[in-house]
Amino acid sequence: EDQVTQSPEALRLQEGESSSLNCSYTVSGLRGLFWYRQDPGKGPEFLFTLYSAGEEKEKERLKATLTKKESFLHITAPKPEDSATYLCAVPPSNDYKLSFGAGTTVTVRA
Amino acid sequence: DVKVTQSSRYLVKRTGEKVFLECVQDMDHENMFWYRQDPGLGLRLIYFSYDVKMKEKGDIPEGYSVSREKKERFSLILESASTNQTSMYLCASSWSNTEAFFGQGTRLTVV
Repeated sequence: EDQVTQSPEALRLQEGESSSLNCSYTVSGLRGLFWYRQDPGKGPEFLFTLYSAGEEKEKERLKATLTKKESFLHITAPKPEDSATYLCAVPPSNDYKLSFGAGTTVTVRA
Repeated sequence: DVKVTQSSRYLVKRTGEKVFLECVQDMDHENMFWYRQDPGLGLRLIYFSYDVKMKEKGDIPEGYSVSREKKERFSLILESASTNQTSMYLCASSWSNTEAFFGQGTRLTVV
């Protein structure tokens, strides 16, 4: 069964303390992996799409990387405004609707 | 920029009412989705549509129906609202095999 698992569930960081979030997947024949940011009470905001192992994408303090079994979202020198829940999603191998991980809630303290 | 607009941010309805949640996208996307999001349960797919008048059940379709009469509009219908349908409802749209874009969400409370 296709699965998407994110870890850790929650991450508390000091401002400036870099860290990484993990998204592992068991989909065969990956057709894309998507990262989203979600603020409380709002819809997810699209961040990145990764299609093949070795690919990297960057946006401000965020960098997403992809291997054959997992993706990492690296947060470099985070600021309090980076506090949010980060979700990853993949389309299952035999379908085009997305399977979402449960998310990692990041809290950055000043 | 892609825009997905949901008709209401907050909605309060009574048990037994028929409730309509509307979603409009402006990018000519083929696919549209309705999710609900609850604490500890993540995003769960209710229904999706891959073309006008086409729909498929998601993981939790019971108590819901949908309508897609025009490509840009996807409606979620709660036939008879119940308290266990109190939730955040999220609409999304996409082209096939690409990222989905979400609306701002509708926080529905059924009393």
